[in-house]
Amino acid sequence: GAGVSQSPSNKVTEKGKDVELRCDPISGHTALYWYRQSLGQGLEFLIYFQGNSAPDKSGLPSDRFSAERTGGSVSTLTIQRTQQEDSAVYLCASSLVAGQVPYEQYFGPGTRLTVT
Amino acid sequence: GQNIDQPTEMTATEGAIVQINCTYQTSGFNGLFWYQQHAGEAPTFLSYNVLDGLEEKGRFSSFLSRSKGYSYLLLKELQMKDSASYLCAVMSNYQLIWGAGTKLIIKP
Repeated sequence: GAGVSQSPSNKVTEKGKDVELRCDPISGHTALYWYRQSLGQGLEFLIYFQGNSAPDKSGLPSDRFSAERTGGSVSTLTIQRTQQEDSAVYLCASSLVAGQVPYEQYFGPGTRLTVT
Repeated sequence: GQNIDQPTEMTATEGAIVQINCTYQTSGFNGLFWYQQHAGEAPTFLSYNVLDGLEEKGRFSSFLSRSKGYSYLLLKELQMKDSASYLCAVMSNYQLIWGAGTKLIIKP
């Protein structure tokens, strides 16, 4: 079946502009994660959605970052007034959940964001 | 706090064996994952350990000791295509806490 998809694959934007990144998780996966990865660095957790529960936004680096998940499926990560330090690869992952414990995460190909 | 430690970089020879270690300190534990990430690509799942001991999957094996907060990934019969970063991650409650990754360089 289809894996996790993300769009766009690449985004170049000017400092100060807003951007929207989209993630389509695997069908049936109730858990959805957003991560950020700078060049040569590890994964930085941003936000977690699980079913209809309130999302865990503890990883969002500033109030310029927000995310929503509509209908328990597609998610959009929005970055307002982009800054050069926002340049990174933004990865989305989804997983099944058993009880309160998610299974392994499947990653999308990522969106490479460059802020000029 | 929550912390995952793994070496930054390792070098090994094609055909040899390499062990990548990971130590962790987390508030909760629901299992430990290893992922492989080739340059410019997304991470892909390799293994999952929740009980102590060794899990073998082909050329790759993963070991866990919960009492020691320690895991390793063992790669046998190394191939050039194994050159990648290997990420250790611990499921703490519902959240995966990620290590920074170990870049594995394979030399012919």
